[in-house]
Amino acid sequence: DTAVSQTPKYLVTQMGNDKSIKCEQNLGHDTMYWYKQDSKKFLKIMFSYNNKELIINETVPNRFSPKSPDKAHLNLHINSLELGDSAVYFCASSLLPDTQYFGPGTRLTVL
Amino acid sequence: DQQVKQNSPSLSVQEGRISILNCDYTNSMFDYFLWYKKYPAEGPTFLISISSIKDKNEDGRFTVFLNKSAKHLSLHIVPSQPGDSAVYFCAASANGATNKLIFGTGTLLAVQP
Repeated sequence: DTAVSQTPKYLVTQMGNDKSIKCEQNLGHDTMYWYKQDSKKFLKIMFSYNNKELIINETVPNRFSPKSPDKAHLNLHINSLELGDSAVYFCASSLLPDTQYFGPGTRLTVL
Repeated sequence: DQQVKQNSPSLSVQEGRISILNCDYTNSMFDYFLWYKKYPAEGPTFLISISSIKDKNEDGRFTVFLNKSAKHLSLHIVPSQPGDSAVYFCAASANGATNKLIFGTGTLLAVQP
């Protein structure tokens, strides 16, 4: 009965590769988010989708492309991975304007 | 430009005593504040929130205090329990935009048995 789930939990890949992280929520929420937590522990919002429409895009390189096939899913595709992309990526969801619920995170390591 | 600051990276408290976690902010447009708790290898979980029209909100052992003039909020945990050991993040949003949270860097709380 996981509320917000992400796959994979760990992702190790080489520079220059393309990878995707998937997120699903079963809470019936209308808004989903991607956050990045870097090595300094800053947790920063990257994107937000409301009813499959992009509503927040926080100066993220265009190598990052979110895709929302439906309200329950928000995937993150990253092209041409760089060392600086190494971080923990969290998906979250909410029923606006209520609280955000976070997934367990995906630790991405770029070698 | 860090709009939400948690200046204490860590805090150690004895079981049964009070834990006080602090958070400062710079953006006067922030009108909603939250505390999240995070265990290792898990996502943050919501703990308690407060609107800027209040100065205190209480939920069981957890109380959040807001001092708007000082742009400061604090989370009090009484009594502290070993299971409270986690990283605590303060977060804020502006102009009712609860979909855009600005997080602090977190404080690691260790409650010693």
